[in-house]
Amino acid sequence: NAGVTQTPKFQVLKTGQSMTLQCAQDMNHNSMYWYRQDPGMGLRLIYYSASEGTTDKGEVPNGYNVSRLNKREFSLRLESAAPSQTSVYFCASCKTPGQGPYEQYFGPGTRLTVT
Amino acid sequence: KQEVTQIPAALSVPEGENLVLNCSFTDSAIYNLQWFRQDPGKGLTSLLLIQSSQREQTSGRLNASLDKSSGRSTLYIAASQPGDSATYLCAVRGGANSKLTFGKGITLSVRP
Repeated sequence: NAGVTQTPKFQVLKTGQSMTLQCAQDMNHNSMYWYRQDPGMGLRLIYYSASEGTTDKGEVPNGYNVSRLNKREFSLRLESAAPSQTSVYFCASCKTPGQGPYEQYFGPGTRLTVT
Repeated sequence: KQEVTQIPAALSVPEGENLVLNCSFTDSAIYNLQWFRQDPGKGLTSLLLIQSSQREQTSGRLNASLDKSSGRSTLYIAASQPGDSATYLCAVRGGANSKLTFGKGITLSVRP
């Protein structure tokens, strides 16, 4: 089991450029999440998907879009990157109640710098 | 709104010491609580998951306890080692369909 994988590991963008962060999990989890982690701010939820075909906003969704491509994959898109989006982005997944232990697993992160 | 607090933000101890990391939360109506470890530049690794009906969970030298009525959890690390140096985060899930609320973490340094 690879668990939760993310690509790319590092990315540098110029202001206004777009990019998509990819996430995949092989644990047959229903729920998937995107977080950003900033010094002093902790982890903040951007978007989540409770199941295939559904997505919902989290705490800080502005400037981002997501796609739940299938049960395994959940992508995060920055349409027009801004320096304020410089951060470390984490994808996570977990089972849903009734599916088993409701334990959340994280990917290794994508370190994004916007200049 | 649930708030999770971890104090102090940083802790330095000599190797071999037993230590306790604290986590407090404001709303005691939680579904479960999870402790994570994060090494510099890495993702979060799940250490222990405690369901709301449980009082504690153990894994190796780690023991996590939960007291819902007082809104507190502790992570006990026995015989600390330099390899335990990392940031430890706790997170609570308010209900079966709610999201995790994270503390900001405690950065632990274990001196050889």
